[in-house]
Amino acid sequence: DTGVSQDPRHKITKRGQNVTFRCDPISEHNRLYWYRQTLGQGPEFLTYFQNEAQLEKSRLLSNRFSAERPKGSFSTLEIQRTEQGDSAMYLCASRLQGSGNTEAFFGQGTRLTVV
Amino acid sequence: GENVEQHPSTLSVQEGDSAVIKCTYSDSASNYFPWYKQELGKGPQLIIDIRSNVGEKKDQRIAVTLNKTAKHFSLHITETQPEDSAVYFCAAPSTGGGNKLTFGTGTQLKVEL
Repeated sequence: DTGVSQDPRHKITKRGQNVTFRCDPISEHNRLYWYRQTLGQGPEFLTYFQNEAQLEKSRLLSNRFSAERPKGSFSTLEIQRTEQGDSAMYLCASRLQGSGNTEAFFGQGTRLTVV
Repeated sequence: GENVEQHPSTLSVQEGDSAVIKCTYSDSASNYFPWYKQELGKGPQLIIDIRSNVGEKKDQRIAVTLNKTAKHFSLHITETQPEDSAVYFCAAPSTGGGNKLTFGTGTQLKVEL
């Protein structure tokens, strides 16, 4: 499978715990995006990377959230001191910037449940 | 920033009928409009997109139309099949560049036998 891969698919955690999600983009894609999707809503932008550089963070991304893409390939999204309001589907997308094609491909998502 | 509105929120059609989903956007500078299909428990999958230099694009049973003056675009599915049942999202580029997207709130399409 050469699509965007996310791990884990599901995560249940207790309030106050830290969680980390991983995203492996399509290998030649230099742009990587994180979105959050709550039930009945469309995805909302959180942050994005151009290679290893984090270029933008949404106001939705509180200081408990941190994302990295250390080698410009896979990315991790960490949530510290989780709250019940963090329960959502976390989606990763990638695309090839500069190709003239603006298509973004999404992974299957990580569904987080904070209890 | 960009604001995308989508309707209807739910749509039920008989198999073989057509389905139309409509979206409006606010930023007149937006130039790319993708449509995604999301099945239960899965990530969004791009099904068709349109750029602002064309008014219509078709791919088999799926078509998208764009009216730049009115700032709205629509998804048309003809000869609907049960496997078309899913949530459909429209999107437009968010203000501020980076090719990030602002999504509509989704349309739950149900194709009944």
